[in-house]
Amino acid sequence: GQNIDQPTEMTATEGAIVQINCTYQTSGFNGLFWYQQHAGEAPTFLSYNVLDGLEEKGRFSSFLSRSKGYSYLLLKELQMKDSASYLCAHSGYSTLTFGKGTMLLVSP
Amino acid sequence: DGGITQSPKYLFRKEGQNVTLSCEQNLNHDAMYWYRQDPGQGLRLIYYSQIVNDFQKGDIAEGYSVSREKKESFPLTVTSAQKNPTAFYLCASSIESPRTGSEKLFFGSGTQLSVL
Repeated sequence: GQNIDQPTEMTATEGAIVQINCTYQTSGFNGLFWYQQHAGEAPTFLSYNVLDGLEEKGRFSSFLSRSKGYSYLLLKELQMKDSASYLCAHSGYSTLTFGKGTMLLVSP
Repeated sequence: DGGITQSPKYLFRKEGQNVTLSCEQNLNHDAMYWYRQDPGQGLRLIYYSQIVNDFQKGDIAEGYSVSREKKESFPLTVTSAQKNPTAFYLCASSIESPRTGSEKLFFGSGTQLSVL
C-alpha cells in the first residue's frame, strides 16, 4: 500500500496558528484528503486537494505539492474545540489510504 | 436527515462467537466501506462495495465477512476466526466510486467492539 507519514502529536496555544504536515508516495496519485476526528466520534471531511496549491476554507487551509508528495493542513485562530486527531488520506491506484493521524492538543 | 447509522454503539463478543455490526445509509450512495481503527493507528480498510451484490476485500479482510443485498445496507460480521477483534469499527459511504480519486467519505458514528 501507499505509505503516508504525519506527526503523531502536536501542541499549540489557543489563538495561534499550527501546520500539520503529511508526506506520501507519489505514484498513482489522484487526490489528497484531510479529515478531523474527535475522540470516539466519526471522522468529518475538511478538505480535498487534487491540484498543486493552497485551498482556503475559513480558518482551515490545505496545501498540496504533487511533485514533492507533500501536503499540509493549516489551522488559524486556534480554538479549544480544534483539539482532535487530523487524518491525512491519499487516493492512489485503489481506495483511500489513511495516515495514522496527528493528535492536536490546544491549550488555553 | 440524511446520513449513515451504525448500531450498536458498543458491542461485546464472547470467545468463539460471531457478531454482526449494522450500517444503514439513506444518502443514496452506491459505494460503502468498512474500516477498523486501533489506538494510534490509521483507518484500515476491511471490505468495500461499489454496487449491490458486489464487494471486494480490503487490506485486512481475514476474519470478517460482509453482504450487500440492498443499496442502503452493508452489515459486517466479525467471525470467530478474527482473533483480535477489539477495535473501533467505522462504516462509510461515498457518492463517487473508489479509484476515482475523489471519493469523499461520509462516516457513521462507529461501533466499539470489545471481547469479554
